[in-house]
Amino acid sequence: DVQLLESGGGLVQPGGSLRLSCAASGFTFSSYAMSWVRQAPGKGLEWVSGFGSIGGSTHYADSVKGRFTISRDNSKNTLYLQMNSLRAGDTAVYYCARVGYSSLSTVDVYYFDSWGQGTLVTVSS
Amino acid sequence: ETVMTQSPATLSVSPGERATLSCRASQSVSSNLAWYQQKPGQAPRLLIYGASTRATGIPARFSGSGSGTEFTLTISSLQSEDFAVYYCQQYNNWPPTWTFGQGTKVEIK
Repeated sequence: DVQLLESGGGLVQPGGSLRLSCAASGFTFSSYAMSWVRQAPGKGLEWVSGFGSIGGSTHYADSVKGRFTISRDNSKNTLYLQMNSLRAGDTAVYYCARVGYSSLSTVDVYYFDSWGQGTLVTVSS
Repeated sequence: ETVMTQSPATLSVSPGERATLSCRASQSVSSNLAWYQQKPGQAPRLLIYGASTRATGIPARFSGSGSGTEFTLTISSLQSEDFAVYYCQQYNNWPPTWTFGQGTKVEIK
């Protein structure tokens, strides 16, 4: 079974830093693109960042660009999110998600087919 | 940036009835549309991808339709375990980014 286990969340002051980890098991981690998705308390889902499986391409939402860095260690089957210059608006549950891919008749589609249980990040003084 | 708009915000349905949820994209997303279910305190769960393909283990009462800018998730006969929040999500090829709708809460009538 696919398992994604996030860790590293906690309480941090505005302007501070935190590094989240996502330990993957049950699949060939290096073969999959991965992403981070967050959810502020009582709010909807927001994609934060993604890391491709091949070539190491990384991508970010405008809201975190320049402050967050996504990385992965395929030897450890682990995805990371380094979060710097944290703001109150970054307070959320952060989910690690595996990117699924299917080739349909006319288009390639991408979606999040497995999710971790999430880790809570609280930015407050 | 593609904006995803879901309607209604809240849908009140009796058990056994049909529920129809809508998702509209501000520009065409072809069939790059997925639906997720989220229950309180839980991570989202993939229901539908490619606009109409059920994910592994998803019951047949869940169906998706649409393409381009208009999409629908239908739950044919609501069970007690289906009361939850549902999100649609689209994928942009370049740069690779994902956008979610704001969610539709399906509650017991």
